[in-house]
Amino acid sequence: ETGVTQSPTHLIKTRGQQVTLRCSSQSGHNTVSWYQQALGQGPQFIFQYYREEENGRGNFPPRFSGLQFPNYSSELNVNALELDDSALYLCASSLPEMGGDNTEAFFGQGTRLTVV
Amino acid sequence: DQQVKQNSPSLSVQEGRISILNCDYTNSMFDYFLWYKKYPAEGPTFLISISSIKDKNEDGRFTVFLNKSAKHLSLHIVPSQPGDSAVYFCAALEYGNKLVFGAGTILRVKS
Repeated sequence: ETGVTQSPTHLIKTRGQQVTLRCSSQSGHNTVSWYQQALGQGPQFIFQYYREEENGRGNFPPRFSGLQFPNYSSELNVNALELDDSALYLCASSLPEMGGDNTEAFFGQGTRLTVV
Repeated sequence: DQQVKQNSPSLSVQEGRISILNCDYTNSMFDYFLWYKKYPAEGPTFLISISSIKDKNEDGRFTVFLNKSAKHLSLHIVPSQPGDSAVYFCAALEYGNKLVFGAGTILRVKS
């Protein structure tokens, strides 16, 4: 059973640039969610993808966008980077319905993005 | 507006004693709760969960208690071990498969 993997692990970008983060979901999981964890805070939901479609979105501006591919892997794209986008970005894979035995979300190790 | 709150930023406990981590929530529609543990440079790992139809769930040294009337849950770790030192996040499952996290509590278990 393969786990959730994210790349890259660390990234430094300049304000105004664009960034793409990648995530491979756990075997058997077809739902991928992205979270932003700022320093000293808990993860904040960005959006979720299921069957290659966005399936729910948190309070993040449109410059945060994503994709899901047929193999269930996913990308998070952020345009026009701002200093406040500096954070740990976490990808989580799960089954479409959580809330029962063995349906919890599994997280990757995260990508640490620094915007300077 | 924080819907899930962990009001203790940190907790220090002696090895072998009980660790109690607390979590409060404001949304009465939440009906499933999870605890995740996070070590530095790793992603959060699932620890234990509880449905609102229960008031207690145990898994080895870990027990989660839910008090729906008080909108409060707690995680008990007995006995605490140095390897339990990590950040613990309380999360609620919102409609649409979205996890709403608290800010986390840093647990330090001293040997």
